[in-house]
Amino acid sequence: QSALTQEASVSGTVGQKVTLSCIGNSNNIGSFPVAWCQQISHGAPKTVMFGNSLPSGIPDRFSASKSGTTASLTVSGLQPEDEADYYCSTWDHSLNAWVFGGGTKLTVL
Amino acid sequence: EVLLVESGGGLVQPGGSLRLSCAASGFTLSSYSMNWVRQAPGKGLEWVSYISSSSGSIYYADSVKGRFTISRDNAKNSLYLRMNSLRAEDTAVYYCVRDHQMLFDSWGQGTLVTVSS
Repeated sequence: QSALTQEASVSGTVGQKVTLSCIGNSNNIGSFPVAWCQQISHGAPKTVMFGNSLPSGIPDRFSASKSGTTASLTVSGLQPEDEADYYCSTWDHSLNAWVFGGGTKLTVL
Repeated sequence: EVLLVESGGGLVQPGGSLRLSCAASGFTLSSYSMNWVRQAPGKGLEWVSYISSSSGSIYYADSVKGRFTISRDNAKNSLYLRMNSLRAEDTAVYYCVRDHQMLFDSWGQGTLVTVSS
């Protein structure tokens, strides 16, 4: 069982806005920034957000936010190429380890 | 462009050893902490180990503590993971990942380790 909880699957149509969530606790998300990575067809993961920063080359339709112990990744104007698995991650100071969510499969209908 | 290239994966018998390498280019390795993250077949991502820029701080996941050793050679722009006493459950793709302010920043393409008799 993952330390961070994500939806198993989320879907949306092209152009729609979707939000993925990542639920943790005060030892992880409540205290540290969160990164989000995208994994397309079991290829190598790619970071799409770290903290509130958008890595170079990532389209600005990706955005992130955090409220208390829940982090969110929003994709505005969904595109077919956004179909992928998305994982959240952060440091957990009670476990002294980086922790991941179980991943959300985003399907573009 | 940041480039991380892992190597050293392969098939190994249970109880065996393997050493993974990660060649870094496009940035100054000595300025960054680094991690190893793995993904078992059909499963999610699992953090394995962390090493600070100067090797002064090292952490391991409980699942590999005492069996795996992370190290780096900044002069050779390389990161390593020595894996001993390998088990079937260590079978995974292993990724070299750059750390940016305690967040996973850039990922390599991965190297597959298969532990099987």
